[in-house]
Order: sequence, then structure tokens, then C-alpha cells
Amino acid sequence: EPEVTQTPSHQVTQMGQEVILRCVPISNHLYFYWYRQILGQKVEFLVSFYNNEISEKSEIFDDQFSVERPDGSNFTLKIRSTKLEDSAMYFCASSPQGPSSLGYTFGSGTRLTVV
Amino acid sequence: AQSVAQPEDQVNVAEGNPLTVKCTYSVSGNPYLFWYVQYPNRGLQFLLKYITGDNLVKGSYGFEAEFNKSQTSFHLKKPSALVSDSALYFCAVRDIETDKLIFGTGTRLQVFP
Repeated sequence: EPEVTQTPSHQVTQMGQEVILRCVPISNHLYFYWYRQILGQKVEFLVSFYNNEISEKSEIFDDQFSVERPDGSNFTLKIRSTKLEDSAMYFCASSPQGPSSLGYTFGSGTRLTVV
Repeated sequence: AQSVAQPEDQVNVAEGNPLTVKCTYSVSGNPYLFWYVQYPNRGLQFLLKYITGDNLVKGSYGFEAEFNKSQTSFHLKKPSALVSDSALYFCAVRDIETDKLIFGTGTRLQVFP
């Protein structure tokens, strides 16, 4: 069964450092997403991406965040200057058709710890 | 705004007993409802979804959910719980206009041997 792959599984970074979280969506999917889950809290939407541009973003997704699909297979989330409160589990997801599709596959997540 | 609520932070059940994890929703229009499970240190795994059709939806690992429009509920059920079902369960609704999933706060299911 096709999977969404996320690397690394766990990353520790110092406050103020830049971090890039990587995702390989399912190959024939066209819509990509990032969600995050702060420890013990609910899963929150960050951003959706289609046709090489952001289609929607939440209030959480401020100027410190950016997304990119650099080579047609990877989908990355960059946090420019990490803060302690960015510590969370970050999930990538992909979908074949976006709003008209009801399928949504999540990766296993990257646990980001900012110290 | 669309939302889901999971009123129980934790549900405890003995192995072999039936289990129910509750979810209620608030949407405008037809709801697209989902259940996901998260095992410790793992990602979100899809269990089942309701789009239209039969109110009783069957999913992975023997789980099912019943869509009840009058009560605006979508409770997750399993006839006989296993210790291995112990995990964090999330109900979610798909916001079709904005193309995102809105999750509930999660319910921790603990199945005791």
C-alpha cells in the first residue's frame, strides 16, 4: 500500500536555528498538507499546497514557516528561526484530488524538539 | 464553522467487552466524517469514513462507526475490545470548502486485560 514518508522521525534543534522537515507524498497525489500536534493536544492544520503554491494556511503558519516542492517528489516544511513553542509532532499528508477527494494519507510524523 | 467534539479524554474498557468512543459534530451541509488512530510514537492511521449511504460504516481492525444525523454524532464502536486497541483516537470532519481536516481533541482508549 502506498505510503507518505517523512524524515527524520525525530529532530532536535536549538532555538533560533532553521529546520527543514521532509516528506515524500504518494506519487500520484496532487495535494499536500502539513499538520502539527503539540504534545497532548489536538492535531492542527498548518498549510495546504497545490500546483506549486499554497492554497490555504492557518494562523499558525506565519512568516517563519514556508513550504516547497523542490523536485517533484519531496515536499518540505521549513521553519526559519525555531522557537520553543514549535516543539511538536509534524505530520505531512497527501491527497489525490483535493477538495473533491475524500482520501487523505498521513505520514508517520517528525517529532521536532526545540531546546 | 465546522467542528467536532470528543467529550471523553479517556475511555477504559476490559478486553473482550464492547467499546464506544464518542464524537459529535457541527457542520453546515453534509458532513464528511473520519476516525483516525494514533499508536504511541506513530503517525495517524485512517480507520474509517462516512460520506454518504449506510449509517453504519465498517473500517479497519474490526472498528465501525454509526452516523446519526438527528443526534449529530459519529461514535466509534467495536464489539470486542483488544488490548492492542489501546491508542489515541481522533474524530475529524473534512471542511470541503477549505480542504482541511478539523480534528477533535482525541480520546485515549485503554483496554485492560
